[in-house]
Amino acid sequence: GENVEQHPSTLSVQEGDSAVIKCTYSDSASNYFPWYKQELGKRPQLIIDIRSNVGEKKDQRIAVTLNKTAKHFSLHITETQPEDSAVYFCAATQGGTGTALIFGKGTTLSVSS
Amino acid sequence: ETGVTQTPRHLVMGMTNKKSLKCEQHLGHNAMYWYKQSAKKPLELMFVYSLEERVENNSVPSRFSPECPNSSHLFLHLHTLQPEDSALYLCASSQDLAAHEQFFGPGTRLTVL
Repeated sequence: GENVEQHPSTLSVQEGDSAVIKCTYSDSASNYFPWYKQELGKRPQLIIDIRSNVGEKKDQRIAVTLNKTAKHFSLHITETQPEDSAVYFCAATQGGTGTALIFGKGTTLSVSS
Repeated sequence: ETGVTQTPRHLVMGMTNKKSLKCEQHLGHNAMYWYKQSAKKPLELMFVYSLEERVENNSVPSRFSPECPNSSHLFLHLHTLQPEDSALYLCASSQDLAAHEQFFGPGTRLTVL
């Protein structure tokens, strides 16, 4: 089955710096890769996603890149702000039919002002 | 109420009790999910339902029993749980299986004494 590895587990940056979180997946048939943000005490919410036919996607300060050959994808946050502090989860579909999402273990991002 | 709702929000139960968690989605989605979120293993997929049929059972112990009476409601029946089952139980829904954004409920914080 699919296995998703996420690094780093914790990340601390200064306000205004960039943050990068990386994930690798094992199932070459995976075709959808979302990123979720979970603030303390709140539910996870989708912030950006990418499908296997696209190499990069950007939404304001957030971007995701996908390298299908190497089976890894990354989340890039530029000009970080204190409100970006949260736990970020990557995920990949379990196989091409995508009956389920398999999540990484999460990255706790702390942005200090 | 809109989105995905869960009741109760907090539950404390003994190991011999029987209780049920309820999830309701008001989004017209066809797929619903149960996840377990604990400090040691964030966002573990438990069950997946599509059009009221279970399509995934991720090696979950039989003391957890899901029920999906219709596409808007999902239950998780709990029986003779163990203290290590204490966690946040999150319900989610999506338009169809996996390769679509999942919308999470607020979760039920379960404590097993």
